[in-house]
Amino acid sequence: AQSVTQLGSHVSVSEGALVLLRCNYSSSVPPYLFWYVQYPNQGLQLLLKYTTGATLVKGINGFEAEFKKSETSFHLTKPSAHMSDAAEYFCAVSLSGNTGKLIFGQGTTLQVKP
Amino acid sequence: SQTIHQWPATLVQPVGSPLSLECTVEGTSNPNLYWYRQAAGRGLQLLFYSVGIGQISSEVPQNLSASRPQDRQFILSSKKLLLSDSGFYLCAWSGDLNTEAFFGQGTRLTVV
Repeated sequence: AQSVTQLGSHVSVSEGALVLLRCNYSSSVPPYLFWYVQYPNQGLQLLLKYTTGATLVKGINGFEAEFKKSETSFHLTKPSAHMSDAAEYFCAVSLSGNTGKLIFGQGTTLQVKP
Repeated sequence: SQTIHQWPATLVQPVGSPLSLECTVEGTSNPNLYWYRQAAGRGLQLLFYSVGIGQISSEVPQNLSASRPQDRQFILSSKKLLLSDSGFYLCAWSGDLNTEAFFGQGTRLTVV
């Protein structure tokens, strides 16, 4: 069975500091991996995705993530946090073939301090 | 371009009342459609998905049902709401050639 674990339900960083949000997954088949962002009372917006190929993927708003099969991880990073990055972030995994059937992590709320 | 619409944005309903949430997709044909629920302080859970008209798969047993009367319309319903049905409901779609799901803006349901 697939599962996703996001380490840390709340992460706080200073503006300009490195953002690191951790995600580990469990899957018996090659996974598709996603990071979504959610602003208050809004839907989810895709930040980036890994399907096949290059393991370092770049997304919108300066975010990137690296798929590490040996560590079953897909951590999200951004070199320099901006106030507008404050939101909730979800890591998700799906079986290839039905990319709308997602297993989500519990989410990480990112706070950015001035 | 494709767009997804969900309504209403917020809803307050008494316990025992019926529910109908609607989701429509524009700009694509034969999408896969999904209903997710986000309970307070928790992640998102897939409730239903549909690969075609009249085809509904339920992922978890619950007090809710879903229907797909038209290709790009997905409805979430309940005959009698429970307090535990409160949450943020998100509709999403994906296509056979897409590698991600696209989400609507969500409906905040409060059962009182």
